[in-house]
Amino acid sequence: QVQLQQSGPGLVKPSQTLSLTCAISGDSVSNNSSAWIWIRQSPSSGLEWLGRTYYRSNWFTDYALSVKSRITINPDTSKNQFSLQLISVTPQDTAVYYCAREVTTGWDGYFDFWGRGTLVTVSS
Amino acid sequence: SYVLTQPPSMSVAPGKTARITCGGNDVGSKSVHWYQQKPGQAPVLVIYDDSDRPSGIPERFSGSNSGNTATLTISRVEAGDEADYYCQVWDRISDHVVFGGGTKLTVL
Repeated sequence: QVQLQQSGPGLVKPSQTLSLTCAISGDSVSNNSSAWIWIRQSPSSGLEWLGRTYYRSNWFTDYALSVKSRITINPDTSKNQFSLQLISVTPQDTAVYYCAREVTTGWDGYFDFWGRGTLVTVSS
Repeated sequence: SYVLTQPPSMSVAPGKTARITCGGNDVGSKSVHWYQQKPGQAPVLVIYDDSDRPSGIPERFSGSNSGNTATLTISRVEAGDEADYYCQVWDRISDHVVFGGGTKLTVL
């Protein structure tokens, strides 16, 4: 059974950097049939896919256009985890942030295991 | 960008059948996945690849997808099925994930 344990602060000041980590058990961040995802959810935007990292002989990342200039998702193979960094946050980045595992099937994929979510509030 | 449209809410009596739709341009050519989310909890995958059920999901949950509409069907609805339901696809043109806006299912 895959488990994803999220950690990181729940309060970030405007213009600062949001940083979250997702520790994986029951799978490997380097598994070449999985991808590792960050998704956020807010009342105004619903569920919003932010991006992913995955290993296919090399490491790859994909980011949503809405955050592409501000986001970094990195794997950490030594700790079997992956991280999210979102710079220059504003109150509009206030949301519950989830990490998840994506099962990739050719051009498609679905999310079969999720972290419990972290409410991140952007406020001074 | 690709858009998935769901009814914001629907209600159904216990024991009846709920059909939640997810509309999108030629969505029948894509694989649609469905998630259930209860208050304060993370989403749970209930249907993948249009009609497959993950282990542990009751047979009462089924899915179909054709033309411009995908449908999640919940038979013999129970009080515990009350939740928000979201559909999801990969948009190959943008190579991005797209979620529907969600449907709040109320069990009367």
